[in-house]
Amino acid sequence: GAGVSQSPSNKVTEKGKDVELRCDPISGHTALYWYRQSLGQGLEFLIYFQGNSAPDKSGLPSDRFSAERTGGSVSTLTIQRTQQEDSAVYLCASSLNPPYRGGPNYKTQYFGPGTRLLVL
Amino acid sequence: GENVEQHPSTLSVQEGDSAVIKCTYSDSASNYFPWYKQELGKGPQLIIDIRSNVGEKKDQRIAVTLNKTAKHFSLHITETQPEDSAVYFCAARLTGTASKLTFGTGTRLQVTL
Repeated sequence: GAGVSQSPSNKVTEKGKDVELRCDPISGHTALYWYRQSLGQGLEFLIYFQGNSAPDKSGLPSDRFSAERTGGSVSTLTIQRTQQEDSAVYLCASSLNPPYRGGPNYKTQYFGPGTRLLVL
Repeated sequence: GENVEQHPSTLSVQEGDSAVIKCTYSDSASNYFPWYKQELGKGPQLIIDIRSNVGEKKDQRIAVTLNKTAKHFSLHITETQPEDSAVYFCAARLTGTASKLTFGTGTRLQVTL
């Protein structure tokens, strides 16, 4: 079946411009996550959605970053007034259902191919 | 919060040899430990995972071991093949968190002929 898709695959922008990155999760997956991967680094958590709500936004690096999810499906990550340090690969993942507090039901996170953002 | 350290950062092995990648985590409340493989230009793909009530798990040439007391877990790849060349990431997830994963910094594995 179809996996997680992201668009655009590559984005080049000028410093100070706004960008929108899109994620289409696997159909039926209620949980959605955004991560950032800087060159040669591991993945850094940004935000997590359960349905349309975001119970964990702790990883957003500044108020220039925001994300929304509509209809329990597509999510958009917006970066306003981009800076050069925002250059990275932005990865989206989805899972069928996250584990509830104390619950044993762990769900695999499936990743999309990422959007490579370059801020000049 | 959780912190995951991963070693080595690069690993070169000859085809047919074994490769071992090690990770340590800081929070004893972590209970889920996946391993992802990332090929150039692609997103990470889950290759194996282990839960804290299990000490070892094997899937063909890949195995993962977990030592809860020492708070470390390892990935073992036997009979390596050129297609195993990629970057491997370990991760950990805390019990009761909103299921975000904390990743290690990755190991670039190169399998040479």
